[in-house]
Amino acid sequence: GAVVSQHPSWVICKSGTSVKIECRSLDFQATTMFWYRQFPKQSLMLMATSNEGSKATYEQGVEKDKFLINHASLTLSTLTVTSAHPEDSSFYICSARGWEAEGTQYFGPGTRLTVL
Amino acid sequence: GENVEQHPSTLSVQEGDSAVIKCTYSDSASNYFPWYKQELGKGPQLIIDIRSNVGEKKDQRIAVTLNKTAKHFSLHITETQPEDSAVYFCAAMNSGGYQKVTFGTGTKLQVIP
Repeated sequence: GAVVSQHPSWVICKSGTSVKIECRSLDFQATTMFWYRQFPKQSLMLMATSNEGSKATYEQGVEKDKFLINHASLTLSTLTVTSAHPEDSSFYICSARGWEAEGTQYFGPGTRLTVL
Repeated sequence: GENVEQHPSTLSVQEGDSAVIKCTYSDSASNYFPWYKQELGKGPQLIIDIRSNVGEKKDQRIAVTLNKTAKHFSLHITETQPEDSAVYFCAAMNSGGYQKVTFGTGTKLQVIP
């Protein structure tokens, strides 16, 4: 149980375009979902936290107009990187937390974004 | 906010030996401490966790200890195998708000056959 999927697993796009990444909890309802960014050989950096049906809470330094987060249902959250630039290239990982396992976050497999 | 320090950053052990990774945290309100294993190009996988009302927890070859007074917790892997090679992250979670998890900086474990 507690499986989180992400789609796509990797994406290459041109500078200036927008990219949407989906995060789904497959076998549980995720009351809260988290989006992280990870640079090579570094730890995970929390970008934002979202609860179903409400606006996401962004961490300091994260541009909310650039990284649009939508948590439309208890099983789906999306991250849209708008007007992507090469510096946005990174590994994006989502995690989800449900009602039953308070505090336990389950991570998706990640999405490798490369902006040319 | 919470600050989690993790040591060592890299660790090489011979197959069959034990590996120990140590973490310290700063926020006394933290009450949940998960450990994650991340293989190259993949998302972190929860391997074990411990809550502040417990001092030790074991799951087969993996154990975690927690010292609330000293604000440190450790991961112990016994009888290491090559497939244990990965990056391990400790984390601490506060008890309020959105229960944000703060991660350590990671330990790259290499098990030498």
